[in-house]
Amino acid sequence: DVKVTQSSRYLVKRTGEKVFLECVQDMDHENMFWYRQDPGLGLRLIYFSYDVKMKEKGDIPEGYSVSREKKERFSLILESASTNQTSMYLCASSSLPGQAFFGQGTRLTVV
Amino acid sequence: QQQVKQSPQSLIVQKGGISIINCAYENTAFDYFPWYQQFPGKGPALLIAIRPDVSEKKEGRFTISFNKSAKQFSLHIMDSQPGDSATYFCAASSAGGTSYGKLTFGQGTILTVHP
Repeated sequence: DVKVTQSSRYLVKRTGEKVFLECVQDMDHENMFWYRQDPGLGLRLIYFSYDVKMKEKGDIPEGYSVSREKKERFSLILESASTNQTSMYLCASSSLPGQAFFGQGTRLTVV
Repeated sequence: QQQVKQSPQSLIVQKGGISIINCAYENTAFDYFPWYQQFPGKGPALLIAIRPDVSEKKEGRFTISFNKSAKQFSLHIMDSQPGDSATYFCAASSAGGTSYGKLTFGQGTILTVHP
């Protein structure tokens, strides 16, 4: 079974803090993705990576950055957390187009 | 700009009934149309998917209908069960170019099946 593991289920951070969300996959997938999920908006792509050290902006990259130093690990960084970044963050990996495996999500609250 | 539009936002169905969720897309480069199912506290999981060269795909009680000319597709859940209660997302993807198979999702439908 493919496993995508996100380091935290719940996080509470203060406005202005730098926040790191970690994701690890165990299936040697080339592609990894970070989405945020908000009610009524579905899942929106923040960043994705198709290889180590390679990254591409998604639809809503503002306020975020990513890092992929190893194939199995993809990190999302909130440079200076703001309240409008309170959301559910989902990491996914895939080797075939459109067939993504998701982690359980990290619910981030910025206060 | 929402490239994949999904309706309804919520749906309540009685056990044994048919649940129908509709999606419409804009980008004709999309060539893979999956549906994801998400239970509370879990990440979405691939449920069923279709490519535009077929008009229908059935897996058990789940069927996707696809209308390429109208750029619409829908999920039908036959004999809906309380265990089907979840949030359903339609999505679209393109295998070509520099898309790397990234998914564009609809807004989601919260399905509740009453016993």
